[in-house]
Amino acid sequence: GAGVSQSPSNKVTEKGKDVELRCDPISGHTALYWYRQSLGQGLEFLIYFQGNSAPDKSGLPSDRFSAERTGGSVSTLTIQRTQQEDSAVYLCASSLVGTAGKNIQYFGAGTRLSVL
Amino acid sequence: DAKTTQPPSMDCAEGRAANLPCNHSTISGNEYVYWYRQIHSQGPQYIIHGLKNNETNEMASLIITEDRKSSTLILPHATLRDTAVYYCISSGSSNTGKLIFGQGTTLQVKP
Repeated sequence: GAGVSQSPSNKVTEKGKDVELRCDPISGHTALYWYRQSLGQGLEFLIYFQGNSAPDKSGLPSDRFSAERTGGSVSTLTIQRTQQEDSAVYLCASSLVGTAGKNIQYFGAGTRLSVL
Repeated sequence: DAKTTQPPSMDCAEGRAANLPCNHSTISGNEYVYWYRQIHSQGPQYIIHGLKNNETNEMASLIITEDRKSSTLILPHATLRDTAVYYCISSGSSNTGKLIFGQGTTLQVKP
């Protein structure tokens, strides 16, 4: 079966432009997560979806970042007015359930964003 | 949420067992311990998780101490493809299941 799919795999943009990153989770997974990994840094949580709702947005670094999920499936992470510090690998993960116990997350390969 | 502590790096000879330690002294009774790994330029990969009992699957074994303050991930016969960053994560008190990654242990398997 297909795993978590992210597109594009690489994105180069100019400072100030908006970008959209897409995540297709594993079919049937109700929980979806976005993380990012900056050069030399660990992975940091951004946002969590359960179905189409986002009960935890605590990791979004600024109001330039937003995300939505439709049909309980595909999710889009949007970064407005990109800055150089937004350069990172953005990772998406999905799981069957989004609770603390027995929550195995499956990750996509990520989108590498470079802001020039 | 419980903080985990891991050594920054370890070496292991190919074919030998790799034993990766993790301290989680503040873990609470209902928090699970998860292990993921990240091979260079790939997304993290789930390895194993446990609550109280030792666990084994096709990838690894997880040994959790009786007081649950520490655990060890064991790769029984390390190969060069096991070279990666290994993350030990507690499930936390949040009911969202979000993962809080530390710096992990970089395991270098050498021929």
